[in-house]
Amino acid sequence: EAGVAQSPRYKIIEKRQSVAFWCNPISGHATLYWYQQILGQGPKLLIQFQNNGVVDDSQLPKDRFSAERLKGVDSTLKIQPAKLEDSAVYLCASSPTSGASGETQYFGPGTRLLVL
Amino acid sequence: LAKTTQPISMDSYEGQEVNITCSHNNIATNDYITWYQQFPSQGPRFIIQGYKTKVTNEVASLFIPADRKSSTLSLPRVSLSDTAVYYCLVFFSGGYNKLIFGAGTRLAVHP
Repeated sequence: EAGVAQSPRYKIIEKRQSVAFWCNPISGHATLYWYQQILGQGPKLLIQFQNNGVVDDSQLPKDRFSAERLKGVDSTLKIQPAKLEDSAVYLCASSPTSGASGETQYFGPGTRLLVL
Repeated sequence: LAKTTQPISMDSYEGQEVNITCSHNNIATNDYITWYQQFPSQGPRFIIQGYKTKVTNEVASLFIPADRKSSTLSLPRVSLSDTAVYYCLVFFSGGYNKLIFGAGTRLAVHP
């Protein structure tokens, strides 16, 4: 079974530029998560989708971050414009059903973003 | 306020048992606690999950006391390859409905 795929693996941009990350979850998984992991910290949930609907986006900085999951499969996370503090690893994860009560998540390798 | 707390780091030697504790307040009866392992440049990997008493699988055990204010991940007979960062992840329901990761415990296993 293929795992969660993410691209690109690395990205370097200057502040105020835009960037987009792509995630392809495990086939058939209903729930998709985007996390931000700053160096030395635990992952922080940015947004959770169930199929193509948003379950939780309370920690997504909506003035600069956006995410979509068209057709309930792949997802894109965008930052526009980027700030220095956005430098982090962006992790995508998926889980089989609703994600309720902390259902097991399967993580991709992450995209490492450096904002200069 | 939903929060999880873990020790920052631990050291052990090959063959020893390692216990890592995560404290979590305001956890409801059926809220799950999940532990993940993360190596450098990789995403977290599932280890074990439970919501009460004790759960055991082929790699670890998870102990959750009756008050459910903490949980302990137990790794039996660690090896050098167990050197990694270990995270607890708690789903807080009861009005929060939040997934909260701990800050992680960096385990170093020495020969």
